[in-house]
Amino acid sequence: NAGVTQTPKFQVLKTGQSMTLQCAQDMNHEYMSWYRQDPGMGLRLIHYSVGAGITDQGEVPNGYNVSRSTTEDFPLRLLSAAPSQTSVYFCASSYQTGQETQYFGPGTRLLVL
Amino acid sequence: EDKVVQSPLSLVVHEGDTVTLNCSYEVTNFRSLLWYKQEKKAPTFLFMLTSSGIEKKSGRLSSILDKKELSSILNITATQTGDSAIYLCAVHNTGNQFYFGTGTSLTVIP
Repeated sequence: NAGVTQTPKFQVLKTGQSMTLQCAQDMNHEYMSWYRQDPGMGLRLIHYSVGAGITDQGEVPNGYNVSRSTTEDFPLRLLSAAPSQTSVYFCASSYQTGQETQYFGPGTRLLVL
Repeated sequence: EDKVVQSPLSLVVHEGDTVTLNCSYEVTNFRSLLWYKQEKKAPTFLFMLTSSGIEKKSGRLSSILDKKELSSILNITATQTGDSAIYLCAVHNTGNQFYFGTGTSLTVIP
């Protein structure tokens, strides 16, 4: 199993550009989520999904869109990048039982100029 | 507002010392509390706690949850340099949201 994979590892964007951060998992997990990690702020939940076709907002959803067309993939879209979105983004997945931990991807470091 | 607070923010100890990391939470509809270790990359899972008063143990690490006090502690005995990391506490609610604390940065000096 590859676990949770994320691409790209690093990206530089200009203000106003759009891009998609990719996340995939091969563990047949129902639950997938996106976090951003900023210094002094810990991990904050952006969006999450409890299964294909179902998504919901987390703590800091503004400026981001998600979709979940398959169980395996959960892309995060930045519609119009802003410097405030400079961060490290982690994707995570888990079973939906509530008795399982989340497994994190390696992260994407995003710099918006 | 749901929140998770960890203390101390940072800690420097010598090898062999014992450390206690604290996590307190105010999260509605609590489901579980989780501890993670983060070493420059993605967080890796340490413990999941759902029941009060039951200690979970893995080698030199142990953790316990106190639902009455809305808190948890993570103990590391006989610390080693490989324990240097950021330790994250998270609370999972029944609404499928996870709330993370800002973490405790532990540095173990040889």
